[in-house]
Amino acid sequence: DGGITQSPKYLFRKEGQNVTLSCEQNLNHDAMYWYRQDPGQGLRLIYYSQIVNDFQKGDIAEGYSVSREKKESFPLTVTSAQKNPTAFYLCASSIVARGYEQYFGPGTRLTVT
Amino acid sequence: AQTVTQSQPEMSVQEAETVTLSCTYDTSESDYYLFWYKQPPSRQMILVIRQEAYKQQNATENRFSVNFQKAAKSFSLKISDSQLGDAAMYFCACKAFMEGAQKLVFGQGTRLTINP
Repeated sequence: DGGITQSPKYLFRKEGQNVTLSCEQNLNHDAMYWYRQDPGQGLRLIYYSQIVNDFQKGDIAEGYSVSREKKESFPLTVTSAQKNPTAFYLCASSIVARGYEQYFGPGTRLTVT
Repeated sequence: AQTVTQSQPEMSVQEAETVTLSCTYDTSESDYYLFWYKQPPSRQMILVIRQEAYKQQNATENRFSVNFQKAAKSFSLKISDSQLGDAAMYFCACKAFMEGAQKLVFGQGTRLTINP
C-alpha cells in the first residue's frame, strides 16, 4: 500500500539534545512538507522540498533543519536552538501540480523535558 | 499574505442531524484551491473535500458538501446525517502559489462533537 510513514510515534528527549524525526513516502511524490501542530492551533509549515537536494524554509523554520537526499525521504532535525520543541509533527507529500492535495503521515509526538 | 479563519472553536450536533462548519479565507491569488481536512483522535489528517476556486459549482462528497461563496471568501462545510465517526477536528485550508511554491495555509480548526 502506498503511503507516508513517520517514526517513531512518540519521542522523548532531554533539553539540549538534537533529535531527528523520520518521514518516508512511497507515493512517488516530488514535494514533501513538515508541519508543526500545537494544541488549539492549526498546522504551521516548517520546511518544504519540491525536488531532491533542494528545500525551502517555511513560516517557522528557526531551530529546525532538514535534508532531501532521496525522493522518498525527508527527515527533520529539531535542534537545541528550538525554544519550544514539544509539539506534534506532521509530514506530508504531494505531486507538484496546481491544486493537488497533500497526503499526511500519522505524525510524531515529540516531548522535550 | 494568505490567511484562513475558523471562528468556531467547537461545535456539537445530534447524531443524524446536519451541521455546518464555517471558514473564511483571504488570498491575493486568483488561482487557488480550498480543502477541508478531518483529524480524528488518531491525529491522522484525512482529506474530506476539495474545491477549485475557478469552479462555481459547490463540491459534494457523499454526506459532505461545501457552500463556496467566492465574493465573500467563505467556504463552509456541511455534514448531513451526522455519524459518531464524524467526531474530529476539522481544518479548513487554502492552497495557492506563493513564493515559488504551492503552499497550504490552515485555519485553527473546529472540534466537532457528535451527541448520540
